[in-house]
Amino acid sequence: KNQVEQSPQSLIILEGKNCTLQCNYTVSPFSNLRWYKQDTGRGPVSLTIMTFSENTKSNGRYTATLDADTKQSSLHITASQLSDSASYICVVSPANQAGTALIFGKGTTLSVSS
Amino acid sequence: DSGVTQTPKHLITATGQRVTLRCSPRSGDLSVYWYQQSLDQGLQFLIQYYNGEERAKGNILERFSAQQFPDLHSELNLSSLELGDSALYFCASSSGSPFNEQFFGPGTRLTVL
Repeated sequence: KNQVEQSPQSLIILEGKNCTLQCNYTVSPFSNLRWYKQDTGRGPVSLTIMTFSENTKSNGRYTATLDADTKQSSLHITASQLSDSASYICVVSPANQAGTALIFGKGTTLSVSS
Repeated sequence: DSGVTQTPKHLITATGQRVTLRCSPRSGDLSVYWYQQSLDQGLQFLIQYYNGEERAKGNILERFSAQQFPDLHSELNLSSLELGDSALYFCASSSGSPFNEQFFGPGTRLTVL
């Protein structure tokens, strides 16, 4: 069964610190992996999209890595800010599948405190 | 602001009722996706339309249906509502390519009492 597992479920860090969120997936074959940021009660916003052949992708203070051999991805946040408090969702797009159905992880809830 | 609009923002109704959620995609986007997000659950893909035609189906119940109109707006119809249907329903749009970013609307919060 295609699954996307994220860890930790929640995380609290101090403003200015770095953190890394993990994503393990069993989707195979897959087309691309995405990280989204979702503020409470709002729609998700795309941070990065990586194809299976890419190892890393950055978007400002956000850097995503992908290891297709171990089926793992991580999202590293540098110099966290209060506005980084949100849910971060890992999403995998299966290959060889009609349409563009995505498989979502349950997300990691990040709280940044001052 | 993603450019995707959804109405209504909130909806409260009773079990057994039927509701319609509406979505207008970003200008130029041909593809519309519907998702359900229940409390403590991840986003669940329901259905995708591309230029008026159904493109992909996910975990959509038979009590739910959707359509995309010639002006590209989409409606999600939920009938015979149950308590468990209470959730946030998101619409997203993209230009249709598998690698294209999906832009999410603000969601409709449905509460079934």
